[in-house]
Amino acid sequence: RKEVEQDPGPFNVPEGATVAFNCTYSNSASQSFFWYRQDCRKEPKLLMSVYSSGNEDGRFTAQLNRASQYISLLIRDSKLSDSATYLCVVNDYNFNKFYFGSGTKLNVKP
Amino acid sequence: DAMVIQNPRYQVTQFGKPVTLSCSQTLNHNVMYWYQQKSSQAPKLLFHYYDKDFNNEADTPDNFQSRRPNTSFCFLDIRSPGLGDAAMYLCATSRASSYEQYFGPGTRLTVT
Repeated sequence: RKEVEQDPGPFNVPEGATVAFNCTYSNSASQSFFWYRQDCRKEPKLLMSVYSSGNEDGRFTAQLNRASQYISLLIRDSKLSDSATYLCVVNDYNFNKFYFGSGTKLNVKP
Repeated sequence: DAMVIQNPRYQVTQFGKPVTLSCSQTLNHNVMYWYQQKSSQAPKLLFHYYDKDFNNEADTPDNFQSRRPNTSFCFLDIRSPGLGDAAMYLCATSRASSYEQYFGPGTRLTVT
């Protein structure tokens, strides 16, 4: 079983749409959670950390459900520039390691 | 700006010819990571350093080695590159107490 699992997509949505990605993780002891964005042939860039209380940054909202071991990312009012692959990442403090999901590809169409 | 720098950005090597990729950071982070990423796949951790302590992943081939001579620099050595080693190699850092991970721009390796 993979440490982190994501729906690979692609999600094809029109501009202005709301889109949600989910991610599940297997290690119940995981303590830090992140969403990264990766553009084609570029490095991953931190989009946002995910906190237990949920957090919002502009059009982006991240939620963590520890009981069900899943993380979500909601993008409102999608822009063409949101087209990218979104990586769910879970940190293991004890081993200083990060576990990556395989990524969810988003295509925002005009 | 504090950052993670990788050199070169593009590297072409011949089958079996050793190659070294470099990474430097100005973030003063304790932990440095090397990942291999192939097309449409998630980054795959090869190894990481926590300060001077080296941690190798169990499935990292012996062909891949690393050195961290000081806090700022880390090197990835591929002793005998095969065609299957063509990939993007990403260096990343994190502060052990902070946990966000910051990536360099990557080195795209081509093996001919």
